[in-house]
Parts: sequence; C-alpha cells; structure tokens
Amino acid sequence: AQSVSQHNHHVILSEAASLELGCNYSYGGTVNLFWYVQYPGQHLQLLLKYFSGDPLVKGIKGFEAEFIKSKFSFNLRKPSVQWSDTAEYFCAVSSYSSASKIIFGSGTRLSIRP
Amino acid sequence: EAQVTQNPRYLITVTGKKLTVTCSQNMNHEYMSWYRQDPGLGLRQIYYSMNVEVTDKGDVPEGYKVSRKEKRNFPLILESPSPNQTSLYFCASSPGTGAFSGNTIYFGEGSWLTVV
Repeated sequence: AQSVSQHNHHVILSEAASLELGCNYSYGGTVNLFWYVQYPGQHLQLLLKYFSGDPLVKGIKGFEAEFIKSKFSFNLRKPSVQWSDTAEYFCAVSSYSSASKIIFGSGTRLSIRP
Repeated sequence: EAQVTQNPRYLITVTGKKLTVTCSQNMNHEYMSWYRQDPGLGLRQIYYSMNVEVTDKGDVPEGYKVSRKEKRNFPLILESPSPNQTSLYFCASSPGTGAFSGNTIYFGEGSWLTVV
C-alpha cells in the first residue's frame, strides 16, 4: 500500500533560518506529489505540486521542493523563513494506480520564533 | 469566488444522535472527497465521489455514509456517532477525476465535531 512519511513532527526555527522538511513515499510507479500548508485555524492550501518535467518545483511564498525519484523523496525547502510561515505542512502523493485517491503524510508543525 | 463550503463548522453532539455535515462547491468540480484530520495521523480519506451517483470508500469509511445526488453537494452522514469520530473534518473538491492529473484539490474550512 502507498504511504507517505514525514519524519519531522515539529520543527522550531528562528526567523531567517533555512528550512528543509522531509517527505518520503512508498510507491514505485508514476506519482504526483504535493505539499499543502495549513495556517492556524485555516483550511489546507496548495503550496506546490509536481506531476512531470523539472524535478525542482517552485511554489508560492518562496517555497520549493525537489523530486528525487531514486530516493522516493520530495523535500520542501525555503532559504529564509519568516514568522508568517508558522503552520502545519503536509506532503501528499497520488499515483497512476489509484488516481482518485491522494495519500497525506502525518504533517510537520513548523514554529518560527520571531 | 471559488469555494468549498461546509456546515456546521463546530458541533458538539451525543453518542448515537444522527448528524449530517453538508458540503457544497461552486466550481462545477466532478471530484469531491471527505477527510478527517487527527493529531499525528494527518488527513485520512473517508469517502470520495468521482461524479454524481458515483461514490467509493476511502481509507477509513467505517461509521460514515455519503451521497452525491447533485454535482455541487456531497454530504457526510454519521448515522450513529461515537466518541472515536471526534475529529476535524474537511471536504474537498477537484476538477476531473481526481488528483493524478495534477489538479489542485480545494479544501473547505473544516468542521470540528465532538461526540460525547
């Protein structure tokens, strides 16, 4: 069965620090990959997605992610975080074999110290 | 404005009392889905629908029912709620038949349900 692992449950950074959140998935076929963000008290919003082409994907608010097929990874990065990036971040995957389903990771809570 | 609307947003109910959480989208999306979000478990899919009168089970369907009589509406029904269904619920919609084509999923604001 497909699964998505987010290894960091809670990350605490100071403003201007660099960020990398890990995401690994278990599926050997063709996949689409997503990062969603949930700001406090709000619904999930799409940060970025990969479905083909350049494995380095740029999203909104300065976020980017790199799809490394050999490592089954899709890590999220931002060179300099801001206090407003405080949120919960979810990695998600959908695959050709289960096109109508999207599997979410357990989420990583990011806290930014001002 | 494109949106997914859920109601109620907050509800405390008692064990066994049937309840329905409504979900409506105004984007003419074919695909709709329900998720529950629990600490440490992320989002888990309850049911999804690829079009009118087409529904299927997700990963955690036990204790829930859905219907899709109209394209815009996808209500979630808890026939006999139990305390383990206390959770944050999200409705979502997407164009096409799901996420594989790269279509963005649009989420509602969430519904906090507490079953005592």
